[in-house]
Amino acid sequence: EAQVTQNPRYLITVTGKKLTVTCSQNMNHEYMSWYRQDPGLGLRQIYYSMNVEVTDKGDVPEGYKVSRKEKRNFPLILESPSPNQTSLYFCASSSPGLAGGEYFGPGTRLLVL
Amino acid sequence: KQEVTQIPAALSVPEGENLVLNCSFTDSAIYNLQWFRQDPGKGLTSLLLIQSSQREQTSGRLNASLDKSSGRSTLYIAASQPGDSATYLCAVSGSGSRLTFGEGTQLTVNP
Repeated sequence: EAQVTQNPRYLITVTGKKLTVTCSQNMNHEYMSWYRQDPGLGLRQIYYSMNVEVTDKGDVPEGYKVSRKEKRNFPLILESPSPNQTSLYFCASSSPGLAGGEYFGPGTRLLVL
Repeated sequence: KQEVTQIPAALSVPEGENLVLNCSFTDSAIYNLQWFRQDPGKGLTSLLLIQSSQREQTSGRLNASLDKSSGRSTLYIAASQPGDSATYLCAVSGSGSRLTFGEGTQLTVNP
């Protein structure tokens, strides 16, 4: 089954404690992205990757890091989380030019205390 | 910078009604437009994808149209059902595989 998986699905942490949210896709997609969703602000892109070892900033990259060492995986790293990073996070993948549309993971709900 | 607007922000209708959700975007240089459904606290489910060269797509009771030159898309839902209650999101793709989302229309279909 074609899918994008994220782990963990729910996470409560404290300010400053480094965390990683993993994302994996099994569709051999070149493109992968991370989004955050906040009430009143909608979905905003954090980072995207056009292929292995190629990443670029989206609209709200501050406070986040990503890496793309393998085609299927695109982890999101919060080196020093802060309360304003409390949000619902989605990973997505697609083929070049979005010909087949974008596939989204189930989401990770993060609470930073 | 691309901006996507969805109207109305919320809509409540009785079961069985046909309805139209609207999406407008400021930059007509798009690759495609996608409509998603999101249930509360859940992920996004892709409903319809319209390539920039297409004018409409249909899936079951759903029909989406695209007028790229005017920067508009509509999602038509026929014979609405309570199970259609969700938030509907419109997103357009630009360069670099970047999707820009609208804020969504929250639909409630009352039995």
